[in-house]
Amino acid sequence: QKEVEQNSGPLSVPEGAIASLNCTYSDRGSQSFFWYRQYSGKSPELIMFIYSNGDKEDGRFTAQLNKASQYVSLLIRDSQPSDSATYLCAVNPPGSGGYNKLIFGAGTRLAVHP
Amino acid sequence: DGGITQSPKYLFRKEGQNVTLSCEQNLNHDAMYWYRQDPGQGLRLIYYSQIVNDFQKGDIAEGYSVSREKKESFPLTVTSAQKNPTAFYLCASTTATRTEAFFGQGTRLTVV
Repeated sequence: QKEVEQNSGPLSVPEGAIASLNCTYSDRGSQSFFWYRQYSGKSPELIMFIYSNGDKEDGRFTAQLNKASQYVSLLIRDSQPSDSATYLCAVNPPGSGGYNKLIFGAGTRLAVHP
Repeated sequence: DGGITQSPKYLFRKEGQNVTLSCEQNLNHDAMYWYRQDPGQGLRLIYYSQIVNDFQKGDIAEGYSVSREKKESFPLTVTSAQKNPTAFYLCASTTATRTEAFFGQGTRLTVV
């Protein structure tokens, strides 16, 4: 079982719709969860991080965490063509000793069409 | 502007050759990391360092070496022992108190 799993996609949504990206992780003791956006050929850029169960909103983005289900998601409201990218879920597992030894999923490719 | 600078952006290596990838940050971050990304895959941790003159192996350290002589710099050497070095290499840094990682623009290494 992969430590961090994401559907590779592509996830295709129309402009203005809500895009829902999902991620599951295997290590129940994980504490920190991150969503990165990566455009083709570019480096990842941090969108959201979440540490506690529940929802965290930042502009058009909402991260949702359910530790009991070992599930973290990212909702993008009012999707724009510029949101088309690969979204990487990353988890900081227990025993990292304060380091950011992130475990990354393979990413979900999102395509927003006009 | 503060940030993480990786160089070169593109690098070509001949078989049996060692190459060094540069990573410099002026964010005053304590910890630095090297990740490798292969097409269609997530990032995998190669090496990481919390303080000067100290570094630890990540999940795929074989065939790589690093140094941390200055807080700002964390170069990665891809040695001839790394049999499949073609990949996108990413350097990242974090502060001691926050875990969000910020990435450089990456170096794309190709074996020719």
